[in-house]
Amino acid sequence: SALTQPRSVSGSPGQSVTISCTGTITDVGNYNFVSWYQQRPGKAPKLIIYDVTERPSGVPGRFSGSKSGNTASLTISGLQADDDSDYYCCSYAGSYSYVFGTGTKVTVL
Amino acid sequence: EVQLLESGGGLGQPGGSLRLSCEVSGFTFKNEAMSWVRQAPGKGLEWVSSINGAGTGINYADSVKGRFVISRDNSKNTLYLQMNSLRVDDTARYYCTKAWLFVDSWGQGTLVNVSS
Repeated sequence: SALTQPRSVSGSPGQSVTISCTGTITDVGNYNFVSWYQQRPGKAPKLIIYDVTERPSGVPGRFSGSKSGNTASLTISGLQADDDSDYYCCSYAGSYSYVFGTGTKVTVL
Repeated sequence: EVQLLESGGGLGQPGGSLRLSCEVSGFTFKNEAMSWVRQAPGKGLEWVSSINGAGTGINYADSVKGRFVISRDNSKNTLYLQMNSLRVDDTARYYCTKAWLFVDSWGQGTLVNVSS
């Protein structure tokens, strides 16, 4: 079953927003392999966080990840207009399987 | 530069078959696990299937198990997805991805439309 994310979150420029991603003991709770993706309309997703907290080269430090129990979180600090996108979490679930989150629309007011 | 180029999408009939291909470059294909991820129109991402570098480790989402077959030809740097017994709810953009514990590279996707 898909990981649960809020349908939408919003914030003004400069503010911080946090997106939660709730799974189970068989995925998020069992592995420190949660990743986050940003997807702009009509484009392929882009990796912004991997291994719960790690940022790929080129991803701004405004993006950070964390995890507690069966819930992972993505925080965007210092919100910018360019952050207006869809965001998806994903967890490795063992035996070459993965589960994605339901997706969250971030709106910059 | 990693490049993933999907092909083979198009219109499929319910109950019919389609074969997707993904030609890759920019990395040592035989050493990397690969996955297919799909996205129905206006919907979220859904993991479909994964295969390890040697082709010996494979898994499928329950929604496609028994109908889809993932494979790879390491001599041709190409990943495949054989889609059988197509259903209307298989309609989606199918992304070829380089993925081990997380997806670090995505193709642009190929659109599959299952309709009578």
